[in-house]
Amino acid sequence: DIQMTQSPSVLSASVGDRVTLNCKASQNINKYLNWYQQKLGEAPKLLIYNTNNLQTGIPSRFSGSGSGTDYTLTISSLQPEDVATYFCFQHNSWPHTFGAGTKLELK
Amino acid sequence: QVQLQQSGAELVKPGTSVKLSCKASGYTFTSNHMNWIKQTTGQGLEWIGIINPGSGGTSYNVKFKGKATLTVDKSSSTAFMQLSSLTPEDSAVYYCARRNDFDYWGQGVMVTVSS
Repeated sequence: DIQMTQSPSVLSASVGDRVTLNCKASQNINKYLNWYQQKLGEAPKLLIYNTNNLQTGIPSRFSGSGSGTDYTLTISSLQPEDVATYFCFQHNSWPHTFGAGTKLELK
Repeated sequence: QVQLQQSGAELVKPGTSVKLSCKASGYTFTSNHMNWIKQTTGQGLEWIGIINPGSGGTSYNVKFKGKATLTVDKSSSTAFMQLSSLTPEDSAVYYCARRNDFDYWGQGVMVTVSS
């Protein structure tokens, strides 16, 4: 199985900050990498699909990049409503696997 | 709009089975695969299996083979997952999610296994 490693596990930042979350796959996943946002008590919501495609309705402050084994989610200007846990997810090969998540908090 | 509506929370006894449902609306049910995912604090998010609603064909994570059985009812656009021989380790929130890239998710259902 492909292992997905996210860093950091917890990130504290201030409103307006540029925030970067990282995800590393144990092997090449050919950009089949999604990012999800999960708020407390809710289901994960798709933000970015296939590395850098913004899901419909998601604010443009969210963006994704990467290739091979290394991927990044960037929030250009952190907003209070962005407090959540963010998961990366590979759908290049079965079983599809998730990272353990980065918990984003307000400083 | 695409919606996946899951059944309500379950409190079940060890050794028994439970059947969870996921009713789809807002798209053609038989044209998109449906997945099931387990979420726990300890293990995080784990893919359980996938079903093709059109053909009924399934594929399972080896970890959940024998534990989960996926079926569908095309007439009601509903996917089901039966979990058998339940233990406390099966206590979790279970989600259904559409397509190979998990684009839409149900709201989740908490299953608690306790005597």
